[in-house]
Amino acid sequence: QSVLTQPPSVSGAPGQRVTISCTGGSSNIGAHFDVHWFQQLPGTAPKLLIYTNNIRASGVPDRFSGSKSGTSASLAITGLQAEDEADYYCQSYDTNLSGWIFGGGTKLTVL
Amino acid sequence: QITLKESGPALVKPTQTLTLTCSFSGFSLSTSGLGVGWIRQPPGKALEWLALIYWDDHKRYRPSLKSRLTITKDTSKNQVVLTMSNMDPVDTATYYCAHFREAAAIFPDHWGQGTLVTVSS
Repeated sequence: QSVLTQPPSVSGAPGQRVTISCTGGSSNIGAHFDVHWFQQLPGTAPKLLIYTNNIRASGVPDRFSGSKSGTSASLAITGLQAEDEADYYCQSYDTNLSGWIFGGGTKLTVL
Repeated sequence: QITLKESGPALVKPTQTLTLTCSFSGFSLSTSGLGVGWIRQPPGKALEWLALIYWDDHKRYRPSLKSRLTITKDTSKNQVVLTMSNMDPVDTATYYCAHFREAAAIFPDHWGQGTLVTVSS
């Protein structure tokens, strides 16, 4: 069981907006550690999507945005496209583990 | 352009020691603030951080696996090596190395393609 909790799956129709939540606790997100988001297309390595809570990585379209509040963070995707179908992971740092932690991953299905 | 590539055996037997090499380009691990780490992903499961080595040779390990892991670097060769002892079938996973970017708590911003390691007799 991951320290960061994500919904196992989300779905949306093309053009719609979806959000993926990432819930942590007082030893990670709540301790003011930054949250980063990764996209993993089928059969490929994770790719940095959003870093330091809300900064888009190079080449990432502005349809993707991130936010953080309290002990949680969210990834929002607007104008859904078929190519967005992938697994999404949040990542932060945890003082109890003394290391880097990932969420359990969320599978996005574009209907 | 930062690139990383993992290499190592695709199959290891239970109790054996796994040795993985990460060869990278586009940066120097002698640059202050940087690190290279290893992250694994069992088939169909989530990502799990294993180890990290900083530019100054400081090392960090996942506490639950610390007794089995060793990470080293060869700055002149642009390589980082991870060894994991006493391999078990539950260690079957794709192993990724990643460039960790300088930040308040550094994070992985560039990843290798990964190498699948199967543990089986």
